[in-house]
Amino acid sequence: AQTVTQSQPEMSVQEAETVTLSCTYDTSENNYYLFWYKQPPSRQMILVIRQEAYKQQNATENRFSVNFQKAAKSFSLKISDSQLGDTAMYFCAPLTQGGSEKLVFGKGTKLTVNP
Amino acid sequence: DTGVSQNPRHKITKRGQNVTFRCDPISEHNRLYWYRQTLGQGPEFLTYFQNEAQLEKSRLLSDRFSAERPKGSFSTLEIQRTEQGDSAMYLCASSLRTNSPLHFGNGTRLTVT
Repeated sequence: AQTVTQSQPEMSVQEAETVTLSCTYDTSENNYYLFWYKQPPSRQMILVIRQEAYKQQNATENRFSVNFQKAAKSFSLKISDSQLGDTAMYFCAPLTQGGSEKLVFGKGTKLTVNP
Repeated sequence: DTGVSQNPRHKITKRGQNVTFRCDPISEHNRLYWYRQTLGQGPEFLTYFQNEAQLEKSRLLSDRFSAERPKGSFSTLEIQRTEQGDSAMYLCASSLRTNSPLHFGNGTRLTVT
């Protein structure tokens, strides 16, 4: 079974600074997709960024970027110029393949952006 | 795109009662997922439909849980003889095709007293 490890239960960052959230996962598949989702307090889960494992180039979405290390099975999220609205739980989630397609979530990292 | 809709938003029930939740996915999405999330944890997969076919069911889903998607559109999740351990947020998500991101609803928060 796939496992996802987010080793930082909580992090904090000052507004306008940069923060990196870590994620490692275990999979036997070669082609797969990875996602970071954000869940603000009492609000719904929304997609932050997506990475295709067959692409060597790291995905970027405005202030959000990833550092994808396929061999190490590492998928970290970098948030630049942090904003107060970035305060949320962040979940790393690989998408399983091979007949069973579902997201497997880590336990999450609670990020607080301080003014 | 009106988003994934879940009803009710909150449900309080007494132990032993049956409850049913509804999820309306984004209209053109043929994949529909149910997850359960407890406080401070990531969502745990419960079950997954492609159109009306239930393709996978987690072993977390005991015999008291049943999900349906009769016409490949909305889905219901029923919990029979609720227990206090069933208290959680139940999330529904849908996706368009293989490898597409999941779009989540606001969830139904269940409290079993």
